[in-house]
Amino acid sequence: DVVMTQSPLFLPVTLGQPASISCRSSQSLVYSNGDTYLNWFQQRPGQSPRRLIYKVSNRDSAVPDRFSGSGSGTDFTLKISRVEAEDVGVYYCMQGTHWPWTFGQGTKVEIK
Amino acid sequence: QVQLVESGGGLIKPGGSLRLSCTASGFTFSDYYMNWIRQTPGKGLEWISYISPTSSDTNYADSVRGRFTISRDNAKNSLYLQMNSLRAEDTAVYYCATPSRLAEHWGQGTLVTVSA
Repeated sequence: DVVMTQSPLFLPVTLGQPASISCRSSQSLVYSNGDTYLNWFQQRPGQSPRRLIYKVSNRDSAVPDRFSGSGSGTDFTLKISRVEAEDVGVYYCMQGTHWPWTFGQGTKVEIK
Repeated sequence: QVQLVESGGGLIKPGGSLRLSCTASGFTFSDYYMNWIRQTPGKGLEWISYISPTSSDTNYADSVRGRFTISRDNAKNSLYLQMNSLRAEDTAVYYCATPSRLAEHWGQGTLVTVSA
């Protein structure tokens, strides 16, 4: 199985400051059609995961533009340009290229 | 808008069986691959199965293969997960989600607890 490794696992941030989460995969996530199925999810306490970013850098509708995704191959990053209180939760990367599709361990974002 | 509603979870003894359901609305159900994903405090999020629109293509994670069966009824806009030979490690919140590889939409989840 493809192992998705996130860092850090815990991220205390100051309101208004930037935050960055890294996700590395044990294999290239480029699919045979040329797409890279690397997605990012946010899970707020008591809620289901919510997709933020799909195929590396495409932001979902209604997702604030302070969220951005980047990367290629095996190395990916989720950035929050200015953290707001509503961004508290756990963030997961997920690969949909190689079955079984797999998630990272999660990064817990808290406000300092 | 897209809505996915899971049901059927509960407390079940090891070795028992349970059938989960997911009712979909707000999109053309019969056009989309559907999926089951589970979440545990210990193992995190685990994608356990998918099924194609016509049910011709299914796949399972090794952890559930041979014990769980995914199915769908397009006339009822419903997805199912038949879970047999349940183990303590199957204790989790089970989500249905769509589409495959991208998981744009998730249900609210249903809790399955396997305990004597």
